[in-house]
Amino acid sequence: DAGVIQSPRHEVTEMGQEVTLRCKPISGHNSLFWYRQTMMRGLELLIYFNNNVPIDDSGMPEDRFSAKMPNASFSTLKIQPSEPRDSAVYFCATSLTRTGELFFGEGSRLTVL
Amino acid sequence: QKEVEQNSGPLSVPEGAIASLNCTYSDRGSQSFFWYRQYSGKSPELIMFIYSNGDKEDGRFTAQLNKASQYVSLLIRDSQPSDSATYLCAVNDFGNEKLTFGTGTRLTIIP
Repeated sequence: DAGVIQSPRHEVTEMGQEVTLRCKPISGHNSLFWYRQTMMRGLELLIYFNNNVPIDDSGMPEDRFSAKMPNASFSTLKIQPSEPRDSAVYFCATSLTRTGELFFGEGSRLTVL
Repeated sequence: QKEVEQNSGPLSVPEGAIASLNCTYSDRGSQSFFWYRQYSGKSPELIMFIYSNGDKEDGRFTAQLNKASQYVSLLIRDSQPSDSATYLCAVNDFGNEKLTFGTGTRLTIIP
């Protein structure tokens, strides 16, 4: 299996621009998580889905962030408008329900100037 | 708010020695405990999990859990330079998919 696939791997944008990050989960994994990692705060859970349904979005920092999972093979995380403090590595991870073993994608490194 | 605390390090250990990584957690309801390894510039990968008090061994790795003290540790025996990485502790409640991660301990094995 190809693993969790994220795109883009790197994104540099200017403040105020819209950013869309994409994730293709491992086939058969029914839970999908979006994490953000920074040096100061470590790995923070933003939102997770189970069977394409958002279960907990309490980690989404504010209304500028939104996430969708229209089907079992695709999810997006959108930031609009982006701000410099959004600069981080965004990871998508998937798992079989309730195993606790997350399989991470390679991450999308976002830099907002 | 569930909290997971780790010493950020860096922790330097000579090659061949035992590396000891520690983690404390705030929520007594936590049931499942995980250690992830993250190489620089890479994504985290699971190396061990433990649910019950006591020790769990897997090759050179041993996870130790003490729920009364809300403490979990990871021992790496016969440390190798390839063990140099950041080690992330994570916890969740049984049946709850949300993993809360610590900020990680950076481990360096000195040849």
